[in-house]
Amino acid sequence: AQSVTQLGSHVSVSEGALVLLRCNYSSSVPPYLFWYVQYPNQGLQLLLKYTSAATLVKGINGFEAEFKKSETSFHLTKPSAHMSDAAEYFCAVSYFGNEKLTFGTGTRLTIIP
Amino acid sequence: DTEVTQTPKHLVMGMTNKKSLKCEQHMGHRAMYWYKQKAKKPPELMFVYSYEKLSINESVPSRFSPECPNSSLLNLHLHALQPEDSALYLCASSQEVVRTNEKLFFGSGTQLSVL
Repeated sequence: AQSVTQLGSHVSVSEGALVLLRCNYSSSVPPYLFWYVQYPNQGLQLLLKYTSAATLVKGINGFEAEFKKSETSFHLTKPSAHMSDAAEYFCAVSYFGNEKLTFGTGTRLTIIP
Repeated sequence: DTEVTQTPKHLVMGMTNKKSLKCEQHMGHRAMYWYKQKAKKPPELMFVYSYEKLSINESVPSRFSPECPNSSLLNLHLHALQPEDSALYLCASSQEVVRTNEKLFFGSGTQLSVL
């Protein structure tokens, strides 16, 4: 079964510091991978997606993620954290021919002023 | 218009009530979804509609009844709910069903409390 694992349910970083949110997937077939962000009392918004065209994917709000097949990882990074980045971040996976998008358990990002 | 609109934003209902959640999109998307999200948990898929036909039902109890009257509208009818059904109900849409790399557009959700 397809799945993603997000290490760290809660990550705190100082404003201006590097943001690193971890996501590992389990799969025997090539996955499609996504990062979604959820601000309080809001729905989810797509940050970026991997579709095999390029291993380094750039998204909105300065976020990017790198697909590493050897490590089965798709970690999300941002060079310099901003207060507005405080939110819940979900990694998600789907596969060709599968109608279901499966979410990880989420990582809450807190920014320290 | 790139929005998915959900109404109402908040709903409180008793266990004997009947209520409906509504979702609307005008992006021409042919796939629409209902997700349930408990506090501090990821969204859980409930139903998928593709071209106005029910494509996936994730073994959801019959007290939840989805309806897709047309390609722009998605309803979720609620009847005889239990307190444990209290959650944020999210509607989403995509151009086609999620078979490849389709992006989901989410509404802001309906926060449901069952007393």
